Amino acid sequence: KQEVTQIPAALSVPEGENLVLNCSFTDSAIYNLQWFRQDPGKGLTSLLLIQSSQREQTSGRLNASLDKSSGRSTLYIAASQPGDSATYLCAVSRYAGNNRKLIWGLGTSLAVNP
Amino acid sequence: NAGVTQTPKFRVLKTGQSMTLLCAQDMNHEYMYWYRQDPGMGLRLIHYSVGEGTTAKGEVPDGYNVSRLKKQNFLLGLESAAPSQTSVYFCASMGEGYTEAFFGQGTRLTVV
Repeated sequence: KQEVTQIPAALSVPEGENLVLNCSFTDSAIYNLQWFRQDPGKGLTSLLLIQSSQREQTSGRLNASLDKSSGRSTLYIAASQPGDSATYLCAVSRYAGNNRKLIWGLGTSLAVNP
Repeated sequence: NAGVTQTPKFRVLKTGQSMTLLCAQDMNHEYMYWYRQDPGMGLRLIHYSVGEGTTAKGEVPDGYNVSRLKKQNFLLGLESAAPSQTSVYFCASMGEGYTEAFFGQGTRLTVV
């Protein structure tokens, strides 16, 4: 059974720091992995999507890597800003019959302090 | 550029009342999902659909029903609301192939 774990559960850093959020999964047979951001009381916004054949994806100050063999993904945030404060979730996608299922981590709650 | 739209955004129900949550997507996506999100428990799948006219149960389907009569709409129904169904409900959709999931803004439901 696929399980997704995110460490740490919470993180507080001063503005300007570079930081890494971790996501691990138990079954390497994934279709892709997606990182999301969720602001309090809001929906989920997709940040980066990494296909199973890719090693990394970049968008602005965000860089996500994927190592299927070790069952790990990291989200790197460069030069963090208070506006980056949110909960970050990762989800792995796999096929189950005719369905594409998303398996979710519980998220990392990030606070960037001015 | 609407993406995924959920209605209503907020609702308070009395125990035993019924209601329907509507999810609409304008991206011609095949897959649609209903999740609930509770503190400390993450996102849990209630029901999902792999195409128009199809529905299937997820992890926590009891007390909910769904319908997908049109490809763009996925309805979640509560026939007799219970306090345990107090939660935030999210709808999501995905297309075929190497595509990402898109989420609605959520419905905050309180059952008293």
